[in-house]
Amino acid sequence: AQRVTQPEKLLSVFKGAPVELKCNYSYSGSPELFWYVQYSRQRLQLLLRHISRESIKGFTADLNKGETSFHLKKPFAQEEDSAMYYCALSGLTGGGNKLTFGTGTQLKVEL
Amino acid sequence: KAGVTQTPRYLIKTRGQQVTLSCSPISGHRSVSWYQQTPGQGLQFLFEYFSETQRNKGNFPGRFSGRQFSNSRSEMNVSTLELGDSALYLCASSLGGQGAGANVLTFGAGSRLTVL
Repeated sequence: AQRVTQPEKLLSVFKGAPVELKCNYSYSGSPELFWYVQYSRQRLQLLLRHISRESIKGFTADLNKGETSFHLKKPFAQEEDSAMYYCALSGLTGGGNKLTFGTGTQLKVEL
Repeated sequence: KAGVTQTPRYLIKTRGQQVTLSCSPISGHRSVSWYQQTPGQGLQFLFEYFSETQRNKGNFPGRFSGRQFSNSRSEMNVSTLELGDSALYLCASSLGGQGAGANVLTFGAGSRLTVL
């Protein structure tokens, strides 16, 4: 069975402070990991995926298979980063899409 | 290009009724997935359709069903509605084939179902 755990429901940081949103997963195979974000009154949208290994809006995430983690990081938080962040895993067993989402972390960036 | 379109956006039903939700994917996307979002359970995968065939299925009862048409548009149906079916139902489309980005999901705004 695949599982994604986001231990923090709410993370509050000050503007300019570093941000780390935690994500741990459980999956026996080789997973594909994603971070999705939902800004206020907007649709859920892809932020980044581990395969692309890119930085989006200053955020990065590294897949650590030893620790089964995919934490999302940003060195300096901005007010516009305030949103709901979901970590998701795709096991791709048999092909196709079947994302398992974590429960989400609400990031609040305070001035 | 147009995004993923879901209709209706809001609907109210009573217990025992059935409901059909519609999803039009991004042009060229052949995979459509459905998710249920509730405050208690979060985002849960319902099923995925690709080329008119159900390719993956979540752990929902048989009251939840779906289908996909030749133009990739998809519908999901919930029969014999229960109070616990009240949720935001999200549709997401993707290219669905092989290769980079094939399984990147683009979500619709959702259909909010209230069961009284």
